[in-house]
Amino acid sequence: GEDVEQSLFLSVREGDSSVINCTYTDSSSTYLYWYKQEPGAGLQLLTYIFSNMDMKQDQRLTVLLNKKDKHLSLRIADTQTGDSAIYFCAESRAGRRALTFGSGTRLQVQP
Amino acid sequence: ETGVTQTPRHLVMGMTNKKSLKCEQHLGHNAMYWYKQSAKKPLELMFVYNFKEQTENNSVPSRFSPECPNSSHLFLHLHTLQPEDSALYLCASSRDSGTEETQYFGPGTRLLVL
Repeated sequence: GEDVEQSLFLSVREGDSSVINCTYTDSSSTYLYWYKQEPGAGLQLLTYIFSNMDMKQDQRLTVLLNKKDKHLSLRIADTQTGDSAIYFCAESRAGRRALTFGSGTRLQVQP
Repeated sequence: ETGVTQTPRHLVMGMTNKKSLKCEQHLGHNAMYWYKQSAKKPLELMFVYNFKEQTENNSVPSRFSPECPNSSHLFLHLHTLQPEDSALYLCASSRDSGTEETQYFGPGTRLLVL
């Protein structure tokens, strides 16, 4: 299977919370990232978490990491229509400079 | 917003053409990357440069030729491409750090090969 897996699509109503999930396979991952890509644009770094942390909160964003299960999630509180985009999970590994990306989750926010 | 710029933003080329993509970073970083994003695959790393030296070539066909004249500029020279090379080409940069590999991306060049 893929090194980093994400579900393809998520639809939520404006004002609800969104939870985007990601699983990875490499236990040597050092940092895990969430990037956002809006239509026609590049990737915007949203947040990242070091592998020895369980949780990180940054305004409306909460990242949870379960290292035992190799599961990462991104929670967006009070989701807005401007949050509609593709969200990519990525991992970095010790000794390797490049990131490994998931296929992305398309978040659709309905008014 | 982003300290990484890419030109052109859109490019249409025939299979016999030669063109170049340009990337410039204004973040004082020492590492630069080319990624390919196509509709059917996750982001694929193509090349990595660190202090102007190529440190990774991810089995990329020779019709793609990177060039890194200094730590701020990265080029991707294209020649005799195939229609399946049509994709969004993203450039990224990061500090040369052993503890953090945070990469910052440019807006990409959308390439269409006819």
